[in-house]
Amino acid sequence: KQEVTQIPAALSVPEGENLVLNCSFTDSAIYNLQWFRQDPGKGLTSLLLIQSSQREQTSGRLNASLDKSSGRSTLYIAASQPGDSATYLCATDSNYQLIWGAGTKLIIKP
Amino acid sequence: DGGITQSPKYLFRKEGQNVTLSCEQNLNHDAMYWYRQDPGQGLRLIYYSQIVNDFQKGDIAEGYSVSREKKESFPLTVTSAQKNPTAFYLCASGPRGGGQPQHFGDGTRLSIL
Repeated sequence: KQEVTQIPAALSVPEGENLVLNCSFTDSAIYNLQWFRQDPGKGLTSLLLIQSSQREQTSGRLNASLDKSSGRSTLYIAASQPGDSATYLCATDSNYQLIWGAGTKLIIKP
Repeated sequence: DGGITQSPKYLFRKEGQNVTLSCEQNLNHDAMYWYRQDPGQGLRLIYYSQIVNDFQKGDIAEGYSVSREKKESFPLTVTSAQKNPTAFYLCASGPRGGGQPQHFGDGTRLSIL
């Protein structure tokens, strides 16, 4: 059964730093991997979706990579801003169901 | 603007009571999903529906029920059989068959009185 792990559970960095969030999964037979953002008390917003045949996707200051063979994905955030503070979740899409990590709570200090 | 509307935002349940959470979407999506979110855990799938009048159990369906009479609506009932209902409930929708980002509502926070 697919398991998705996100480490660390929380991260606090000064504004302006580049940072990497990690997502690992146990079963490499995935259709895609998705990264979402969740603000406190809110729903989720899709950030990036990487198809299983792709290595990475970029949107603005965000870059997500996928290495199926090692069961890992990373979300790179460049030049972090206080507005990036949120919880970031990854999910694998297997058999039309999403399997979720518990998220990394990110705090960007001004 | 298209989107997903969940109501109410906050809900309180008395012991032995059934409560229903509303989810409406105007994105013309075939598939709809209900997730439960507990602190420190990933989202867990309760029920999903790929088409009107059809739905499937997710990983934690016990104590919950759903209906899908209209494409736009997918209400979730938390029954008295669900002994630990306190959680944040999220509704999502997407194209049938998955593979595309799901769109989420703003959630309903359910607590026990």
